[in-house]
Amino acid sequence: NAGVTQTPKFQVLKTGQSMTLQCAQDMNHEYMSWYRQDPGMGLRLIHYSVGAGITDQGEVPNGYNVSRSTTEDFPLRLLSAAPSQTSVYFCASSNSGVGNTIYFGEGSWLTVV
Amino acid sequence: RKEVEQDPGPFNVPEGATVAFNCTYSNSASQSFFWYRQDCRKEPKLLMSVYSSGNEDGRFTAQLNRASQYISLLIRDSKLSDSATYLCVVRGSQAGTALIFGKGTTLSVSS
Repeated sequence: NAGVTQTPKFQVLKTGQSMTLQCAQDMNHEYMSWYRQDPGMGLRLIHYSVGAGITDQGEVPNGYNVSRSTTEDFPLRLLSAAPSQTSVYFCASSNSGVGNTIYFGEGSWLTVV
Repeated sequence: RKEVEQDPGPFNVPEGATVAFNCTYSNSASQSFFWYRQDCRKEPKLLMSVYSSGNEDGRFTAQLNRASQYISLLIRDSKLSDSATYLCVVRGSQAGTALIFGKGTTLSVSS
C-alpha cells in the first residue's frame, strides 16, 4: 500500500547543478502536484497536473520543470539549482473531484550550497 | 490579502484544555475546506473536511461560515499527542484546482 512515493528523501546540490525529484503514486489519481514548504511561508504550489500530458504552473514555478507522461509519475526538475531552492518539497495526489482528499508523499529535503 | 489566513500562534495549552483555531479565506468561489495536521518534519495529513453544517470527529469540531468566509477548528480535552501544526486548507470550485494552504498554527500541549 505505497500511496505517494517521493525520492530522494535528502539531497545536497551545488549551485548550478540540475536534478530531478521523483514522485509516483499507485492510486490511479488524475491530479498530482508539487509544493515547497519554507519556514514562515507555508506550503506553496509549484506545478500541478490534472492528467497525463497536462501540466500547469502554480504560485512559484520559476526554476522548475515538470512533465506527466504517465498517470503514475510526476517528476520535478530543477534546471540550475540556486540556494533559494533550498526547501522541503512535497508531492501530492488525489482524484480530481473538488472534495477529494489529497495525499502527500513524505517529503524531499533539498539543500543547495 | 492572503488567500488563506490563520491565527499566527503558537498556542501553548495544558492537557485537558479547549483550544480554537480560526481561519479566513478570500476567494468566495471556494468549494472545499479542510483542516490538515502536520507533525515536525512530516508530511501534512488530513485531519478533517469541513462542511457547511459543521461536523465533529471525536474531540474535534469544525465549522464553516460561508457568508463570513471563516473556518474554525475546536479541539476539546487536548492531549499531548495533539501537539502539531494545524493547516487550514481551501480548494477552488473547479475540478483539478489546487489546494491553497494557510501558513499553519502551531499547538503545543503540555502536561
